[in-house]
Amino acid sequence: GENVEQHPSTLSVQEGDSAVIKCTYSDSASNYFPWYKQELGKRPQLIIDIRSNVGEKKDQRIAVTLNKTAKHFSLHITETQPEDSAVYFCAASITSNTGKLIFGQGTTLQVKP
Amino acid sequence: DTEVTQTPKHLVMGMTNKKSLKCEQHMGHRAMYWYKQKAKKPPELMFVYSYEKLSINESVPSRFSPECPNSSLLNLHLHALQPEDSALYLCASSQDLPGQGKETQYFGPGTRLLVL
Repeated sequence: GENVEQHPSTLSVQEGDSAVIKCTYSDSASNYFPWYKQELGKRPQLIIDIRSNVGEKKDQRIAVTLNKTAKHFSLHITETQPEDSAVYFCAASITSNTGKLIFGQGTTLQVKP
Repeated sequence: DTEVTQTPKHLVMGMTNKKSLKCEQHMGHRAMYWYKQKAKKPPELMFVYSYEKLSINESVPSRFSPECPNSSLLNLHLHALQPEDSALYLCASSQDLPGQGKETQYFGPGTRLLVL
């Protein structure tokens, strides 16, 4: 079955710097890749997603890139702010199948003011 | 209404109790999900309902019993739970099942369950 690995597990950056979180997936049939942000004690919130027919997607300070050949996708956050501090989860799914989301183990991002 | 709501927010129960968790959405979504999340871990899928029918059961123990009374409501009935079942239980919904381009899942705030 599908397996998603996420790195790093923790990431600390200075406010204003960029942060990059990387995920690799095992099943080449995966075609939907969402990213969720979860603040302490809160629900996971979708921040951006990408489908396999697109190589890059951007929404203000957040961007996601997908390399289907290498089977990896990355989240890029520019001009980080303290409110970006949270746990970030990547996920992958095969939409022609059950569409079950397979999550990475999460990255705890700390943005220091 | 663009939110998934869950009640209660917190629940403490003994191992012999019976309780239920409730999830509601009024976005017209036809797929609903139950997840279990332990601290510092990703959500783990438990059940998926599509058009009010159970479509996925991830080999969840029978002490967890899901129910979908209508397209807006999803319940999780709990009975004879164990302390290791203590976790955050998240409900999610999506417009449709994957394959239709409508698979984005939106999560509720969760019920934090403690089993004593």
